[in-house]
Amino acid sequence: AQSVAQPEDQVNVAEGNPLTVKCTYSVSGNPYLFWYVQYPNRGLQFLLKYITGDNLVKGSYGFEAEFNKSQTSFHLKKPSALVSDSALYFCAVRDFSNDMRFGAGTRLTVKP
Amino acid sequence: DARVTQTPRHKVTEMGQEVTMRCQPILGHNTVFWYRQTMMQGLELLAYFRNRAPLDDSGMPKDRFSAEMPDATLATLKIQPSEPRDSAVYFCASGQGGLGGELFFGEGSRLTVL
Repeated sequence: AQSVAQPEDQVNVAEGNPLTVKCTYSVSGNPYLFWYVQYPNRGLQFLLKYITGDNLVKGSYGFEAEFNKSQTSFHLKKPSALVSDSALYFCAVRDFSNDMRFGAGTRLTVKP
Repeated sequence: DARVTQTPRHKVTEMGQEVTMRCQPILGHNTVFWYRQTMMQGLELLAYFRNRAPLDDSGMPKDRFSAEMPDATLATLKIQPSEPRDSAVYFCASGQGGLGGELFFGEGSRLTVL
């Protein structure tokens, strides 16, 4: 079965600095990869996805993610973090089985 | 804006009681997923449907949980009898299209079983 791993429970960055939230995946066949964000007491919101094509995908709120097949990674990035980016971030993977599996989540804290 | 609607948003019940959570997927979406979120386990996939047919419910404790889609506008998740360990936030999500389609999540139903 497909799976994703988010190796960091917590990421802390200063406002204005670049941020990276890491994700690695395991899947049979072609991966369909997603990033979601969750704010307190809210549902998950879709940020971006990789299906095929360019390895660098751009999404909402200035986020982007880089797909690296050789490293089986799909790291989320943003050039300049905002305090309002502080939230819980989830990586997810889907394969031919159609179900979507999520990582454990990474809590991002951006300090002023 | 189209959105996934879940009810109730909060539910407190006593052990042994039946709990039913409802979800209205976005109109036109053909897949519906149920997830459970806890601090310890994170997001667990409980069940999902495609075109109202259950595709996989292997993540669900079969003896007490059941999931159904009586029609295209309603998905239900039922727990009978409920136990304290069922306390969690339950999310419904819907999507359309194939594997590349993202899911749209509801705001969740927070269940507390005393």
